[in-house]
Amino acid sequence: DQQVKQNSPSLSVQEGRISILNCDYTNSMFDYFLWYKKYPAEGPTFLISISSIKDKNEDGRFTVFLNKSAKHLSLHIVPSQPGDSAVYFCAASATDSWGKLQFGAGTQVVVTP
Amino acid sequence: DVKVTQSSRYLVKRTGEKVFLECVQDMDHENMFWYRQDPGLGLRLIYFSYDVKMKEKGDIPEGYSVSREKKERFSLILESASTNQTSMYLCASSFPGLRNTIYFGEGSWLTVV
Repeated sequence: DQQVKQNSPSLSVQEGRISILNCDYTNSMFDYFLWYKKYPAEGPTFLISISSIKDKNEDGRFTVFLNKSAKHLSLHIVPSQPGDSAVYFCAASATDSWGKLQFGAGTQVVVTP
Repeated sequence: DVKVTQSSRYLVKRTGEKVFLECVQDMDHENMFWYRQDPGLGLRLIYFSYDVKMKEKGDIPEGYSVSREKKERFSLILESASTNQTSMYLCASSFPGLRNTIYFGEGSWLTVV
């Protein structure tokens, strides 16, 4: 029973446009959320995070939005670049979980020229 | 720069073999994790360790065991490999606490034939 869901397995976007990746969660105990990026044959790397006390966090071209009432978060990448082509994983953690992360299934992003 | 090193990148093992996957981190992290990544399922936690000789089961521990004799080293053991354990295995480490980033190794591709 996946507690973190990424319902779009893939996303294709033109270079320069906005990429929007969505993530839903079911566990109301989650209070910290992260996005990881993964290239083939490499481990995931941390991209951006957000605490449940915020509704938005920005880092350069990457912005994460959190809607707690809807149990939904999204990652916006503006503008999208070819190097952004990767699999993006949404992850969530609860305060009493020793920092363990629950991951979604991932969204494959392809940025086309 | 945090480094999580997985000793074997690609392995092919036979059904019934005992398999050891080794992981070493150089940041004095208390927490270490083993995840497996499968298409459509994302990353799933197998085992977690928050201190030397301490371990906790994750979401899918069946068929696996772990060993943490030293703080920097966390081993995943497949007692009797089966074909459904063919997967990418990812080791990770972090400091304890909710907001500490989890750092991943590059992954070990295991094929069981």
